[in-house]
Amino acid sequence: EAGVAQSPRYKIIEKRQSVAFWCNPISGHATLYWYQQILGQGPKLLIQFQNNGVVDDSQLPKDRFSAERLKGVDSTLKIQPAKLEDSAVYLCASSLSLAGSMTQYFGPGTRLLVL
Amino acid sequence: GENVEQHPSTLSVQEGDSAVIKCTYSDSASNYFPWYKQELGKRPQLIIDIRSNVGEKKDQRIAVTLNKTAKHFSLHITETQPEDSAVYFCAASVSNTGNQFYFGTGTSLTVIP
Repeated sequence: EAGVAQSPRYKIIEKRQSVAFWCNPISGHATLYWYQQILGQGPKLLIQFQNNGVVDDSQLPKDRFSAERLKGVDSTLKIQPAKLEDSAVYLCASSLSLAGSMTQYFGPGTRLLVL
Repeated sequence: GENVEQHPSTLSVQEGDSAVIKCTYSDSASNYFPWYKQELGKRPQLIIDIRSNVGEKKDQRIAVTLNKTAKHFSLHITETQPEDSAVYFCAASVSNTGNQFYFGTGTSLTVIP
């Protein structure tokens, strides 16, 4: 079974530039999550999708971050404009559904450095 | 919202010794507690989980215990090996709110050969 795929793996940009990350979940997984993991901290949920609908985006800084999952499969997370404090690893995860106690499977992450 | 605290932040043990990592949570409605292992530069991977209707769960050298009254749960690794060296994260989830995970800050475990 193929795992969660993410690209790019690394990205270096200057502050105020824009950047986009892509995620392809495990086939058949209806629920998709984007997490931000700052160095030395645990992953923090940014946004959660169920199919193509948003379940929770309460921790997404909406003035600069946006995400979509138009066809309920792949997802894109965008930052525009980036700030220094956005330097982090952005992890995508998926689960079969949003039913409780459902294992979340993580992708390899995109490591972002904002200069 | 849920707040998960994890201790210690770093832990060094001799190969063959046991390692214990502890987490506390704040929301008494949390009922699912997974543990993830993250090796350097790699994705977090689930190693064990426990649900609130169970007090303890074992899988070979790994065990997790849960005390719902005190709102804390712990990861126990016995007979540690160098390949156990990694960062371990605990998480808590309330199953009726969409399976959102709240993670602890991580424990960097080093097993010294």
